[in-house]
Amino acid sequence: DQQVKQNSPSLSVQEGRISILNCDYTNSMFDYFLWYKKYPAEGPTFLISISSIKDKNEDGRFTVFLNKSAKHLSLHIVPSQPGDSAVYFCAASVGGSARQLTFGSGTQLTVLP
Amino acid sequence: DAGITQSPRHKVTETGTPVTLRCHQTENHRYMYWYRQDPGHGLRLIHYSYGVKDTDKGEVSDGYSVSRSKTEDFLLTLESATSSQTSVYFCAISVSGQGRSDEQYFGPGTRLTVT
Repeated sequence: DQQVKQNSPSLSVQEGRISILNCDYTNSMFDYFLWYKKYPAEGPTFLISISSIKDKNEDGRFTVFLNKSAKHLSLHIVPSQPGDSAVYFCAASVGGSARQLTFGSGTQLTVLP
Repeated sequence: DAGITQSPRHKVTETGTPVTLRCHQTENHRYMYWYRQDPGHGLRLIHYSYGVKDTDKGEVSDGYSVSRSKTEDFLLTLESATSSQTSVYFCAISVSGQGRSDEQYFGPGTRLTVT
């Protein structure tokens, strides 16, 4: 039973437009959420995170939104650039759990020039 | 750069043979993790460590063991490799500090093929 779900395996977006990646979770104990970006043949790299006490966090072109009532988070990338093409994973953790992360299955983002 | 290296980076082995993967960190972080990445599954936690000689199981620990005799090294052992253990293995560390710090930083990965 996947506790963190990314239902879109792939997404294509035109350069300069907004990319929206979605993630749903089922475990109401999750209180910290993260997004990672992964290029082929490399390890995932941390992108942005959000605590459950917030509903939005911004870092440059990246914004994460959290809707706790819907158990849904999204990552917005504006404007999208070809270098953003990668697999994006969302992850979640429960406080006091040795910082264990539960990952979604990933979404392949392709930004078209 | 979190100073994480993994060795080997690529390995091909036969079914039934033992395999050990090594993760090395240079910054003395307490928490270390082993994940495997498979298509359609994202990253799944195998084992983790919260200090020297302190380890615990993750979601997919069957068939794997770990050891941590020094802060900087976390070893993952497949006692008798099976084809279902063909995967990409990632090591990660969690940066400790004040407040909430669940961000994990990953090594470059080891691609293991069991034939």
